[in-house]
Amino acid sequence: DAKTTQPPSMDCAEGRAANLPCNHSTISGNEYVYWYRQIHSQGPQYIIHGLKNNETNEMASLIITEDRKSSTLILPHATLRDTAVYYCIVRLGGSARQLTFGSGTQLTVLP
Amino acid sequence: NAGVTQTPKFQVLKTGQSMTLQCAQDMNHEYMSWYRQDPGMGLRLIHYSVGAGITDQGEVPNGYNVSRSTTEDFPLRLLSAAPSQTSVYFCASSGGQLAKNIQYFGAGTRLSVL
Repeated sequence: DAKTTQPPSMDCAEGRAANLPCNHSTISGNEYVYWYRQIHSQGPQYIIHGLKNNETNEMASLIITEDRKSSTLILPHATLRDTAVYYCIVRLGGSARQLTFGSGTQLTVLP
Repeated sequence: NAGVTQTPKFQVLKTGQSMTLQCAQDMNHEYMSWYRQDPGMGLRLIHYSVGAGITDQGEVPNGYNVSRSTTEDFPLRLLSAAPSQTSVYFCASSGGQLAKNIQYFGAGTRLSVL
């Protein structure tokens, strides 16, 4: 699996867009980018995933650069409930093996 | 839709005791896994199963046993609890050929071993 690099922490003002970056320069052509988050003491929660095109769902948008070496998770209007650790994971789409959760980014949404 | 249900939510054990952490899912997912999370750390895979009757070891399997007799249930057994097993345990499931990395997690079991 490709290694990912995320900043350890970020702050965002409530109501503003939160942009969380992830570098995955060794990603291979058939690996997907997945984003999860873990709100304090809760189980991780799947957010979104993508291969090469930008993706959007009810929770967030995922922007993947054309060379696929980095991506950005966008929470368009951050709320206090979005305060969590956000994990960027790169995996083969059909693999049934473990997800490797790195250190992630601690996002703190400030009132 | 209950999703992934873990019981108990909290447990305190004495060193040497054994116990089983329960995990059940109602989504007919073939893939299930157990993770542990120590304070301030990421999740580490203990064991996983790709279907009923099939299990395999993850990153930190020592001291734990699993079995998968049904699609729905994936219990985790601590054979002889040790203080090093104090942690939060999460069970997860996923299904579908293209969605195996979309894992749904339970609320966790917080275990303390004294």
